[in-house]
Amino acid sequence: NAGVMQNPRHLVRRRGQEARLRCSPMKGHSHVYWYRQLPEEGLKFMVYLQKENIIDESGMPKERFSAEFPKEGPSILRIQQVVRGDSAAYFCASSPQPDTQYFGPGTRLTVL
Amino acid sequence: RKEVEQDPGPFNVPEGATVAFNCTYSNSASQSFFWYRQDCRKEPKLLMSVYSSGNEDGRFTAQLNRASQYISLLIRDSKLSDSATYLCVVNNNYGQNFVFGPGTRLSVLP
Repeated sequence: NAGVMQNPRHLVRRRGQEARLRCSPMKGHSHVYWYRQLPEEGLKFMVYLQKENIIDESGMPKERFSAEFPKEGPSILRIQQVVRGDSAAYFCASSPQPDTQYFGPGTRLTVL
Repeated sequence: RKEVEQDPGPFNVPEGATVAFNCTYSNSASQSFFWYRQDCRKEPKLLMSVYSSGNEDGRFTAQLNRASQYISLLIRDSKLSDSATYLCVVNNNYGQNFVFGPGTRLSVLP
């Protein structure tokens, strides 16, 4: 059973561009969580999704950020018009039920 | 007050030492509790869940004190490979709100 997959592992964008981060949960897991980790800081919850539904987006910035988890395919975290402050590691986690979470390797976003 | 608090450390201990970390949480309605470890520039990995009765996994022992709202992690006979950041995680709302502490950094020295 493959673990949580995230791609790309590293993403470089210039200010104003869009960033798309993808997360494929573990097989059989229908709950997906996105977190952001700034250098030398802890993980900050962003959003919790189930298939085709956003359950909790209380940690998402109000503008430029969106997330989806379609019926088919990976979960996508989309950041529009990136700024330097968006540079961080973005981790996705999945779980079979709202319980223990298993993390992917993360996507490291660098905004130039 | 932050929702989940940990001493950031670093804790520098010699191989073979016993080390303990505490974590306090502010929401008395918290449902479940976990310890994760995170190596530098890697993803967090589940170390163990924390049950009310306490639980042990090899050299690791976790305990929960609901009355005082803290959880602890004890590592016996420290190994070099235990060097990492240990994250306390609290689940507040049936899976909808996992809150991570800032982590405690451990360095086990030869």
